[in-house]
Amino acid sequence: GAVVSQHPSWVICKSGTSVKIECRSLDFQATTMFWYRQFPKQSLMLMATSNEGSKATYEQGVEKDKFLINHASLTLSTLTVTSAHPEDSSFYICSGGRAGGQDTQYFGPGTRLTVL
Amino acid sequence: GENVEQHPSTLSVQEGDSAVIKCTYSDSASNYFPWYKQELGKRPQLIIDIRSNVGEKKDQRIAVTLNKTAKHFSLHITETQPEDSAVYFCAATGTGTASKLTFGTGTRLQVTL
Repeated sequence: GAVVSQHPSWVICKSGTSVKIECRSLDFQATTMFWYRQFPKQSLMLMATSNEGSKATYEQGVEKDKFLINHASLTLSTLTVTSAHPEDSSFYICSGGRAGGQDTQYFGPGTRLTVL
Repeated sequence: GENVEQHPSTLSVQEGDSAVIKCTYSDSASNYFPWYKQELGKRPQLIIDIRSNVGEKKDQRIAVTLNKTAKHFSLHITETQPEDSAVYFCAATGTGTASKLTFGTGTRLQVTL
């Protein structure tokens, strides 16, 4: 199979602090990973596309200086929410596809962020 | 960019009945259409997908149909069971793992006894 892990699974932080979320592909290499945000009872909204060894591509309306993405290796991408505020509280999910594979995206288990 | 619409937003069926969820897409270049099932607080799980070179695909109680001309695709679940209760999302994308998915708004399926 293709397994994607995320860490942490949940985090509670104070307003103004930064939070880092890790996304790892455990049994495959992912040249591209995607970061989504999902608010309660809503769909998944793509935030950015993370490319190994290069800058991430952000979707319209997503602040790149607030949501820092680093894709340092073929198995690890990180999302850092800087100066988090209560409105950043959400479920953050990453996904990846096998390098050289077809279209299937495999999702991580998600990280529930709560900003107090 | 791609726009995916999904209907209905909620669907309640009795156990054993069939459920149908419909999606339309806007970008004629899209050629891969996965369906995901998401239980509360968990990751989306791929349940079936279809590529544009076929019109229908079936996997046990789940089937997906695609009409490229009309740019719509549907999920069919037969003999529904309580464990089918979840939120279902359709999505559309181009080819390759670097192609981003555009999701529908989701359908909350409730299977009642």
